[in-house]
Amino acid sequence: GAGVSQSPRYKVAKRGQDVALRCDPISGHVSLFWYQQALGQGPEFLTYFQNEAQLDKSGLPSDRFFAERPEGSVSTLKIQRTQQEDSAVYLCASSLQTLGSPLHFGNGTRLTVT
Amino acid sequence: GQQLNQSPQSMFIQEGEDVSMNCTSSSIFNTWLWYKQDPGEGPVLLIALYKAGELTSNGRLTAQFGITRKDSFLNISASIPSDVGIYFCAEQGETSGSRLTFGEGTQLTVNP
Repeated sequence: GAGVSQSPRYKVAKRGQDVALRCDPISGHVSLFWYQQALGQGPEFLTYFQNEAQLDKSGLPSDRFFAERPEGSVSTLKIQRTQQEDSAVYLCASSLQTLGSPLHFGNGTRLTVT
Repeated sequence: GQQLNQSPQSMFIQEGEDVSMNCTSSSIFNTWLWYKQDPGEGPVLLIALYKAGELTSNGRLTAQFGITRKDSFLNISASIPSDVGIYFCAEQGETSGSRLTFGEGTQLTVNP
């Protein structure tokens, strides 16, 4: 497809489990972003990649959150030892250039931690 | 950090009515964006504004970048049922790949 693809669409994890969320950006897009959206709120920035380089991870809420994009394309957001407050929709977005290009969002992964 | 205040939080209107929502900021912005999010989907860009005073339309949608550069509004005219969703204002930064900062959203319900 032509859009940003995220998988899985839904993930249920027991507290303490590790999870991995995948993002396939639009082919050729240099920039990739992860956002966290809690219920009833706007998306909040987690981290930003320019190609394979993670240039900003200031939004990651704790050291349990880790993101990578090893080949500058697919990205994975990993959450270790999940907690209930990690329950949210995790959105991935990509853009063609590094500045000023519109962001294209995927449909997100809804994570529920029980 | 900068804060976006979006209002109203929710709106319930009849089909055919016009609706207006706005955002204010505690700091000056260089870009205002308006997004719509349908249930189970990611936000989709509706309108982008780049200059103070700019008024831009996209079909039945009109948005303006306030002169003070601290506010923006979005108007929807002649609402239809498919306008239902959450509308977000956002600011596009000039660092970190132009990361976005979103408002809290306005939930719009349109009664047929």
